[in-house]
Amino acid sequence: EVQLVESGGGLVQPGGSLRLSCAASGFTFKDHSMDWFRQAPGKGLEWVGRIRNKVKSYDTEYVASVKRRFSISRDDSKDSVFLQMNSLKTEDTAIYYCSRVSRIDFNDYWGQGTLVTVSS
Amino acid sequence: DIQMTQSPSSVSASVGDRVSITCRASQNINRWLAWYQQKPGEAPNLLIYSASTLQSGVPSRFSGSGSGTDFTLTITSLQPEDFATYYCQQANSLPRTFGGGTKVEIK
Repeated sequence: EVQLVESGGGLVQPGGSLRLSCAASGFTFKDHSMDWFRQAPGKGLEWVGRIRNKVKSYDTEYVASVKRRFSISRDDSKDSVFLQMNSLKTEDTAIYYCSRVSRIDFNDYWGQGTLVTVSS
Repeated sequence: DIQMTQSPSSVSASVGDRVSITCRASQNINRWLAWYQQKPGEAPNLLIYSASTLQSGVPSRFSGSGSGTDFTLTITSLQPEDFATYYCQQANSLPRTFGGGTKVEIK
């Protein structure tokens, strides 16, 4: 059974940093690209970024609003993906989800999410 | 970026009703479209990918159609567990983008 479990959310002040983790199990993690999404309270879904697999050189891409502030990394030896968030803004407040990218490039499994609150 | 426009934003329906939700892309995405269901407090759940392929385990009352720029999600014979918010998402290119969501409410 595929499982994705996010952790690391919490309350942080504007300008602060936070590192989210996503632990994967139930599939061959190293073969898959992984995405991060977020959902602000009461709002819709937003793609945050992607990290590809080793075959694709661990390339990363990000939505414009988080470029130069957020970075995604992965540790295939630990079946984990990470989202480093720096220079956080109040508008980054959201539930953050990690998601597996299927072999045909759809997001087929999602974690339960972790809440990040940016507030003074 | 590709813009996704979903309608209606909400719909009131009764158990047993047929419900259709439409999604329009701002450019041709061929069949690179997915539909998700999200219930309060839960993560999105993939229902349909490649515009019309049912994800494993999803009931057959859900169906998807369309290609290019116009797509439809249809739920035949709405069940109590189907009351939720539905999102379309384009998978043609990055950044992935979503429609604004359609909340299916009990009439």
